[in-house]
Amino acid sequence: GQQVMQIPQYQHVQEGEDFTTYCNSSTTLSNIQWYKQRPGGHPVFLIQLVKSGEVKKQKRLTFQFGEAKKNSSLHITATQTTDVGTYFCAGPQGNQAGTALIFGKGTTLSVSS
Amino acid sequence: ETGVTQTPRHLVMGMTNKKSLKCEQHLGHNAMYWYKQSAKKPLELMFVYSLEERVENNSVPSRFSPECPNSSHLFLHLHTLQPEDSALYLCASSLTEGGVNEQFFGPGTRLTVL
Repeated sequence: GQQVMQIPQYQHVQEGEDFTTYCNSSTTLSNIQWYKQRPGGHPVFLIQLVKSGEVKKQKRLTFQFGEAKKNSSLHITATQTTDVGTYFCAGPQGNQAGTALIFGKGTTLSVSS
Repeated sequence: ETGVTQTPRHLVMGMTNKKSLKCEQHLGHNAMYWYKQSAKKPLELMFVYSLEERVENNSVPSRFSPECPNSSHLFLHLHTLQPEDSALYLCASSLTEGGVNEQFFGPGTRLTVL
């Protein structure tokens, strides 16, 4: 069945270091979404990428969608303690936009000051 | 606040109990979802309702029974659950048309089955 995989599962960094999480899909995706879940919280939407090779930035966060639309990455520059949480990527189930999402297992980021 | 509310926030129940989880969205969305989030597993999609019709049932045991009486409300009826059903149950909603179909999640119900 369709799968979305993320690595690493856990990452610990010192405050100020960079962080990257990678997402790979078993199928070509029409789009990919990224969510962040703070400890004790619920997933919150960060961004959606649609175009092949697309790169989007949100302050210190950079999101990329691969040329083949099967992989994606999230890079955080100079991490802060507020970046702590689990980052999930998700793709449409059945590759149809506007339907249910298949989530990766997430990458849990911890930051020490 | 995301515009999606869930009640109760915490629930402890025995294996013979019957309880219901409630989700309400005030965003004008036309699709609603139930997810299960366990400690060491990814977000597992349980049910999808689009325009109040169930369009997805991901092999969920029959002890979980969803109900969507209208586009703003979603229920998950629980009966004779097992301890392994203890998890965070998240409700989400979205639009199924338009450019960005982000899902808005509620705060979740933390369920413990004794």
